[in-house]
Amino acid sequence: GQQVMQIPQYQHVQEGEDFTTYCNSSTTLSNIQWYKQRPGGHPVFLIQLVKSGEVKKQKRLTFQFGEAKKNSSLHITATQTTDVGTYFCAQVSNRDDKIIFGKGTRLHILP
Amino acid sequence: DAGVIQSPRHEVTEMGQEVTLRCKPISGHNSLFWYRQTMMRGLELLIYFNNNVPIDDSGMPEDRFSAKMPNASFSTLKIQPSEPRDSAVYFCASSLGQNTDTQYFGPGTRLTVL
Repeated sequence: GQQVMQIPQYQHVQEGEDFTTYCNSSTTLSNIQWYKQRPGGHPVFLIQLVKSGEVKKQKRLTFQFGEAKKNSSLHITATQTTDVGTYFCAQVSNRDDKIIFGKGTRLHILP
Repeated sequence: DAGVIQSPRHEVTEMGQEVTLRCKPISGHNSLFWYRQTMMRGLELLIYFNNNVPIDDSGMPEDRFSAKMPNASFSTLKIQPSEPRDSAVYFCASSLGQNTDTQYFGPGTRLTVL
């Protein structure tokens, strides 16, 4: 069945440094979604990627969908303390239209 | 819009007791999801409804768990009898159309079973 691998599991960065999390799938995806969960909060939708090779930006966040539609990345430029939280990818497989969340990458910012 | 509403926000109960979690999805949304989140297992989909009908309940851990959606604006997740390993945060989410659309999560119910 479909497997979602999200790496790294944890990341500590100094404030101002960049951060990247990766999401990989064992199957070709129809689309991928990214969510952010602040500590003590609930997952909040950030963006959806649909097209092969798609790149979308939201201020300091850059989202990319791989050419083969099997992987995706989220890059944050010059992290700020407000970026603290867990970033989840949610994959939708071509095969069975099920949405599966990755285990998330927990980002901690050192002041 | 009020967003997805869940109650209670916190629940502490003793092993063996029945627990009922409640969810009101966003008005007009056709799909509703129940998730369980723990440190060990992450975010797990328990069950998903579309137009009030359970479509996929393969994530429901065992017979102690049951979920209902009697109408478009209300769903319950029941655990009977509860066990300490059921302690987790339970999220309800809704989406406009199919299960592959953007999901809007409620604030969650933090359940502690002693």
